Amino acid sequence: DAGVIQSPRHEVTEMGQEVTLRCKPISGHNSLFWYRQTMMRGLELLIYFNNNVPIDDSGMPEDRFSAKMPNASFSTLKIQPSEPRDSAVYFCASSPVAGGYGNEQFFGPGTRLTVL
Amino acid sequence: KNQVEQSPQSLIILEGKNCTLQCNYTVSPFSNLRWYKQDTGRGPVSLTIMTFSENTKSNGRYTATLDADTKQSSLHITASQLSDSASYICVVSPNTGNQFYFGTGTSLTVIP
Repeated sequence: DAGVIQSPRHEVTEMGQEVTLRCKPISGHNSLFWYRQTMMRGLELLIYFNNNVPIDDSGMPEDRFSAKMPNASFSTLKIQPSEPRDSAVYFCASSPVAGGYGNEQFFGPGTRLTVL
Repeated sequence: KNQVEQSPQSLIILEGKNCTLQCNYTVSPFSNLRWYKQDTGRGPVSLTIMTFSENTKSNGRYTATLDADTKQSSLHITASQLSDSASYICVVSPNTGNQFYFGTGTSLTVIP
């Protein structure tokens, strides 16, 4: 099992550009989570999908952020336009159980985003 | 307000020594508490989960304890190894609603 796959692993872009982060969850998992991690704030949940449907997006910081999950094997997190304060490591995680807030989550390796 | 606080923020210990990390929470009503280990440059990996009825659970050299009355958990690492150097994150889930709460983590450095 390849685990959760994220791409790209590193992204450097200029302020104002659109950024798209990609995630492939573990096959058969029903829940998918997007997180942002910074030194100051730690891990923050951005959005949670259950069976491809967004359940809780209250953590999405503002309208510049959007996430989609068109099918069970793919999700994207888009930032448009990007700003320097968006610089962080973005993690995708999946869980085998639907409604899985308390269930074990399997994290991907993360995408380190730097916005200049 | 639901919060999870971890201490210490960082810790340096000699290889072979034991250490204990703390997690205090105000999340209520409580469902479970999970400890994650995050190596530098990687995503977190679950070490153990504690439910309301559990007091102690071990995973190799890692032992987690839970006192649901005082809302405290600890992660004890025995005979530390260099590979234990990582951030340890405590996550608490309530049994109502769709939410969980992350601590900011403890950064552990084991030196030879």
